[in-house]
Amino acid sequence: DQQVKQNSPSLSVQEGRISILNCDYTNSMFDYFLWYKKYPAEGPTFLISISSIKDKNEDGRFTVFLNKSAKHLSLHIVPSQPGDSAVYFCAATQTGANSKLTFGKGITLSVRP
Amino acid sequence: KAGVTQTPRYLIKTRGQQVTLSCSPISGHRSVSWYQQTPGQGLQFLFEYFSETQRNKGNFPGRFSGRQFSNSRSEMNVSTLELGDSALYLCASSPPGLAGGSDEQFFGPGTRLTVL
Repeated sequence: DQQVKQNSPSLSVQEGRISILNCDYTNSMFDYFLWYKKYPAEGPTFLISISSIKDKNEDGRFTVFLNKSAKHLSLHIVPSQPGDSAVYFCAATQTGANSKLTFGKGITLSVRP
Repeated sequence: KAGVTQTPRYLIKTRGQQVTLSCSPISGHRSVSWYQQTPGQGLQFLFEYFSETQRNKGNFPGRFSGRQFSNSRSEMNVSTLELGDSALYLCASSPPGLAGGSDEQFFGPGTRLTVL
């Protein structure tokens, strides 16, 4: 049972435009959400996170939106740059005494120059 | 500060063999988690260790095991390898948080295991 779903396996956008990466979750116990970025031959690197007490978190060009009622979050990258081309993983967890993250399958973002 | 290191980076084994992978967390991090990444399944949680104790476990068979040492370094072992065990194995460490581990994890580059 896939508790975190990234239904679009890939996304291609033009440099300078907005990239919107979507993620859905089914487990209502999740209360903390993270986005990771992964380049080939490297481990994932943390990008941005959001707690369920917020509906938006911004960090430079990256903004994450959370819609708890829809169990949906999205990552917006504005403006998109060729260096943003990577695989993006959405992850979720229930804050508490452990560090288990449940990941989606990832979205491959390609930013065309 | 040095990042998470994993050794070896690449490994080729044959079916039936066993393998041990090593992970050194960021200095000061006491929580170490292991993940398996395959093209079809994304990242799947294997287990997490904190202060030498397994604190959480994913849905993998008993052939997958791990341990953590007093210096927080961790190893994972896979016995009786199967073709389907071919994957990228990622280790992540977490800084201390309110409950002993935070939710932000720092990943190593991974060990690419190929089972022939």
